[in-house]
Amino acid sequence: EPEVTQTPSHQVTQMGQEVILRCVPISNHLYFYWYRQILGQKVEFLVSFYNNEISEKSEIFDDQFSVERPDGSNFTLKIRSTKLEDSAMYFCASRSSRQGQGEAFFGQGTRLTVV
Amino acid sequence: GESVGLHLPTLSVQEGDNSIINCAYSNSASDYFIWYKQESGKGPQFIIDIRSNMDKRQGQRVTVLLNKTVKHLSLQIAATQPGDSAVYFCAENPYSGGYNKLIFGAGTRLAVHP
Repeated sequence: EPEVTQTPSHQVTQMGQEVILRCVPISNHLYFYWYRQILGQKVEFLVSFYNNEISEKSEIFDDQFSVERPDGSNFTLKIRSTKLEDSAMYFCASRSSRQGQGEAFFGQGTRLTVV
Repeated sequence: GESVGLHLPTLSVQEGDNSIINCAYSNSASDYFIWYKQESGKGPQFIIDIRSNMDKRQGQRVTVLLNKTVKHLSLQIAATQPGDSAVYFCAENPYSGGYNKLIFGAGTRLAVHP
């Protein structure tokens, strides 16, 4: 069964450092997303990406965040200067179609710990 | 505004009983709803979905009911098993068209006791 894969599973970084979280979406999917989940809280939308550009972003996704699909396979989330409050699980998701015809498939997540 | 919320944060059931997890949504323009299961340390896993032109959909041991009049969604799990223990989230697409971000509810923890 196809799946979304994320690496690393756990990333520890010092405050102020840059981190890149990597995702390989399902190969025939066209819509890509990043979500985050602070421990014990609900899953929050960060950004959606389609046709090599951001289609929507949340208030959380400020200038410190960026996404890229550099090679048609990987989908990355970069945080330029991490803050303590960036500590969370980050989930990548992909979807084959826009609306109502297929669910978003989620990866297993990257646990980011900022110290 | 957009919001999806859950009535009960924790639900404890006996193995073999049926479970019902509820969810309220506020955006009447939402046209697609999904239930996800999340086990500890894992990503959300799709359980079942429903479009707004339906009021009921059944899967294997699970049924989703949608009441658009009161903007309420429920997940019914038949013959609950220990493996069903997890946090369950409802999620909605808040509008038609667009790129369909999902708005998640707060989650309900289901604890199944033998």
